[in-house]
Amino acid sequence: EVQLVESGEGLVQPGSSMKLSCVASGFTFSNYGMNWIRQAPKKGLEWIALIYYDSSSKYYADSVKGRFTISRDNSKNTLYLEMNSLRSEDTAMYYCAKGVYSSYTGYFDFWGPGTMVTVSS
Amino acid sequence: DIVLTQSPALAVSLGQRATISCRASQSVSISRYNLMHWYQQKPGQQPKLLIYRASNLASGIPARFSGSGSGTDFTLTINPVQADDIATYYCQQSRESPPTFGAGTKLELK
Repeated sequence: EVQLVESGEGLVQPGSSMKLSCVASGFTFSNYGMNWIRQAPKKGLEWIALIYYDSSSKYYADSVKGRFTISRDNSKNTLYLEMNSLRSEDTAMYYCAKGVYSSYTGYFDFWGPGTMVTVSS
Repeated sequence: DIVLTQSPALAVSLGQRATISCRASQSVSISRYNLMHWYQQKPGQQPKLLIYRASNLASGIPARFSGSGSGTDFTLTINPVQADDIATYYCQQSRESPPTFGAGTKLELK
């Protein structure tokens, strides 16, 4: 059974940093591209980052480019999202989502339950 | 970015057919591949993949869900609607990066 479990939930002040993790199980993690997708309260879904299966390429939404960094450790079956210079508009539920391909985004066949990030003074 | 437009809400009766539409700002089809996908999200839960590439049922999804469309116009059909189907439905395109989602259609009971 595929499982994705995010962690790193919390309340932080604007301008601060935070790191999220997502532990994967039930599939060969190192074979698939992985994504972070977020959802602001009562809002829709926003894709924010993709990392290829081998970390050779990373892509970001314009809204987070230069502030967020996606990474992975295939030996630990873990995906990360390092978030810097956080803003109030980054307040959202952050989902880890498995891609169906090793590289190209495609669609997302499994999602974690999400972890909530609140940016507020 | 490709913009996907969905109606905000749809009211249906149990046992009836629900048709949810998604219109793209430009074609999301390449050759015979229609790069539109559908997700269901219930309150307090993560999204779940329902349909991929416009008309393919994801694993474990009941056959009352179906998808159709090509180019810029796509439809998710639920027939018959059951109480467990009350949720918000999102379309997503993978024709171009960044992948984008529609704003969601909330399925409500009439």
